[in-house]
Parts: sequence; C-alpha cells; structure tokens
Amino acid sequence: QSALTQPPSASGSPGQSVTISCTGTSSDVGGYNYVSWYQQHPGKAPKLMIYEVSKRPSGVPDRFSGSKSGNTASLTVSGLQAEDEADYYCSSYAGSNNVFGTGTKVTVL
Amino acid sequence: QVQLQESGPGLVKPSETLSLTCTVSGGSISSYYWSWIRQPPGKGLEWIGYIYYSGSTNYNPSLKSRVTISVDTSKNQFSLKLSSVTAADTAVYYCARDRTPYYCSGGSCYPRSGSGFDYWGQGTLVTVSS
Repeated sequence: QSALTQPPSASGSPGQSVTISCTGTSSDVGGYNYVSWYQQHPGKAPKLMIYEVSKRPSGVPDRFSGSKSGNTASLTVSGLQAEDEADYYCSSYAGSNNVFGTGTKVTVL
Repeated sequence: QVQLQESGPGLVKPSETLSLTCTVSGGSISSYYWSWIRQPPGKGLEWIGYIYYSGSTNYNPSLKSRVTISVDTSKNQFSLKLSSVTAADTAVYYCARDRTPYYCSGGSCYPRSGSGFDYWGQGTLVTVSS
C-alpha cells in the first residue's frame, strides 16, 4: 500500500484559511468514509482532529473541518491561529489496513 | 481519561528483535482495536498493525513477515515484536487506540477498525545500532 499524497507545505496569515489535500485511490480514500486527520506539534504525539471524513472529536475547535470528493479528502483550517502551526497527516482505512498521508507542514505567517 | 504508555529498550542491535509493550490505563482494553504506529526521525507516520482485544490481528503488508502483535487483557497491555531489525527501523514508536465504532445489523453488532486513532501514547524512540 502506498502512502496517501499530501502537499509538503501550506501557509496562511492569522485569520485566513488554509486547505490541505490528501489524495489516494478507490482502494482507500475513495472506497470508504473512514478518513481521519491528525495534528502533530514538534516532539509530540499526533492528535486526532477529524474522523470519518468530517466529524470532530469533542474539544476540537469548529475552525477545523473535513470533506471528501472522490479519491481526495481535504482538511480546512479557518481563522488560522498561531497554535495551528504544526504538521498535519491524513489517514484512511484501506480494507483491513490503515494508510497515512505523507504529511503537510502548515506555517502561520 | 484513557492513557497509553509505551515501554521497552531504546537501543536494539541490527538483526535482533525489537520488543515494546503498551500499557493502557484509565479504561479497559476490551472492545477496541489497538495499533502500533511508527515515525522515523524527520519523516512521516507509518501504520504497523493492529490487534483486537480478542486477539485477531492485521499487519501492514510491507512489514507483515517481521511483525507480531499480541495482547494480554489481564494486564491491560498489548505488545509489538519486530524481528530482523535494521537501521531503517529506527523510529519513534507509538501505540494508539482505534475509536472502534460498532455497527449493528440484523440483531448483531460488529466492530469497525480504521475510524481514527483517538488516544496515543507519548511515543518511544527505538534506535537500531550496534
């Protein structure tokens, strides 16, 4: 199984929005509504931000939203804040397996 | 609050077997899928495999020949063994809980894996070096 494809970097100014894409195939992203997104600050464990494409765990701000179209999922961070600067990874169920994305570094300018 | 803690040697020699244990506290290991995930220094996340509390497993095809995950429900622990390690296996190893939603149909309920990893350990760095 190949890693899902994410852009290496994305950036935006405070208050702006940034959208990160996550491209897979019909065997993973396109085949199941089981895409999740994780935020990882340096030296820390990943944190679940979105599960099942668009659902937010309790405590995650509604500035974070997820969607999916075909084989590509997206994470949008609206109203960027300094603390949103981190690495973001998508993950998808792939028929008894799980596969992660290549990761995107989000910079708040 | 569920907490996960990885433990095991931080240094393993090439060709030997890496062994780690994840201890779950603040909740039961029952009724969930539990995964091992790793991250080489400066690189992305890689799913290694999962175990259901009943003992059923599934592994990343690229690591399947070298990986064994087991569970000890009496100790609320699950473990990872990775054999024949090389420098490429140097990474931070995380244990994580799968949300494991249950879907019911026809009077029976079935666990689903892959919904998302909602609790993670802090991670432990394992270096493969002689």
